[in-house]
Amino acid sequence: TQLLEQSPQFLSIQEGENLTVYCNSSSVFSSLQWYRQEPGEGPVLLVTVVTGGEVKKLKRLTFQFGDARKDSSLHITAAQPGDTGLYLCAGRISGGYNKLIFGAGTRLAVHP
Amino acid sequence: DTEVTQTPKHLVMGMTNKKSLKCEQHMGHRAMYWYKQKAKKPPELMFVYSYEKLSINESVPSRFSPECPNSSLLNLHLHALQPEDSALYLCASSQDRSSGRETQYFGPGTRLLVL
Repeated sequence: TQLLEQSPQFLSIQEGENLTVYCNSSSVFSSLQWYRQEPGEGPVLLVTVVTGGEVKKLKRLTFQFGDARKDSSLHITAAQPGDTGLYLCAGRISGGYNKLIFGAGTRLAVHP
Repeated sequence: DTEVTQTPKHLVMGMTNKKSLKCEQHMGHRAMYWYKQKAKKPPELMFVYSYEKLSINESVPSRFSPECPNSSLLNLHLHALQPEDSALYLCASSQDRSSGRETQYFGPGTRLLVL
């Protein structure tokens, strides 16, 4: 079974704190996407990483793809209440024929 | 433009009804997807269309019937659903170059309630 383990499942922090979300697998991914989802809405793409060791920044969000392309992390600096939501990582297995493997999601709540 | 649109946004149907969900994209993507998402869970893949042909069916019950009339449109026909089929139904699309790196873009979803 191809699994993508995402942690933590829940995170409740104060405004201004930093946090990191992790996605880990024993499988190699040809690409990995991070999405943010609001309740009742579709996931919105944040970033796609494709190269081992790649680091991408999106304002206060930093995404890293592991050297072996088996893991990824999302780091948020100085979290804001507007960052509240469900964060999903999703990886495409090499040779995976258009199929994404989703992590279970991290539900983030940032309190003012 | 990375927009995928879905209609309707909300749908309430009885177990004997027939209804359809619609999805549209104009990004020139040749792969389109249907996902089902239950509360507090990640999306679960249902179907994948590649170049308007069904390429993946994740053992979905026949009361869900997908259709891809052309490269921009994807429908999901619903018939004789059960209350446990109530969920958020998401459509997504991506390029289909089989390199494994194509990003999937999601629509806003249709929230379905089966009574």
